[in-house]
Amino acid sequence: DTGVSQDPRHKITKRGQNVTFRCDPISEHNRLYWYRQTLGQGPEFLTYFQNEAQLEKSRLLSDRFSAERPKGSFSTLEIQRTEQGDSAMYLCASSLGSLREFFGPGTRLTVL
Amino acid sequence: DAKTTQPPSMDCAEGRAANLPCNHSTISGNEYVYWYRQIHSQGPQYIIHGLKNNETNEMASLIITEDRKSSTLILPHATLRDTAVYYCIVRLMNYGGSQGNLIFGKGTKLSVKP
Repeated sequence: DTGVSQDPRHKITKRGQNVTFRCDPISEHNRLYWYRQTLGQGPEFLTYFQNEAQLEKSRLLSDRFSAERPKGSFSTLEIQRTEQGDSAMYLCASSLGSLREFFGPGTRLTVL
Repeated sequence: DAKTTQPPSMDCAEGRAANLPCNHSTISGNEYVYWYRQIHSQGPQYIIHGLKNNETNEMASLIITEDRKSSTLILPHATLRDTAVYYCIVRLMNYGGSQGNLIFGKGTKLSVKP
């Protein structure tokens, strides 16, 4: 257990539905990251926050994806109108401006 | 795209040293070499990082060649629990202390066998 928690751990949804994932970072960490990982591939960067500010977004983050970190603590990642191609593991990580990130266990999304 | 090249898979006998190579021939002067690993169905776990000197911690040793174009991660006494995908990543570090994001490749799948 790294201290980063994610909820839910698994989510099955039907195509076209909206889903929201939550990440709780290590409490004093100011940076929070979201990554996506598909089967057989390494994680791909989606976006990151420093405190409550979203500082960078990958081109992978389409208009259907939105992330928030309203009080600089927990973060949510929402996917609207899910597609089968959104099926993946969604990973959250946090860091304290240091040189290493701590990853959570991930949320596995299956879109039917 | 990842800026590193790693073998897709390796085997190692339990109790022996596991030596995982990584090529990063285009690395620039302000990029660090990082290693993470990912055990099945878990999030990635930080192992070690370095700039140009060799580094050692409680998990592993990192040997970086003098020209910095390649490195080797050494697990001195591999156990079955070290079976995982190992990712070698080069990462930009700015003078202000901010770091670039992690760009993962496909990594090396290390299988430790009894």
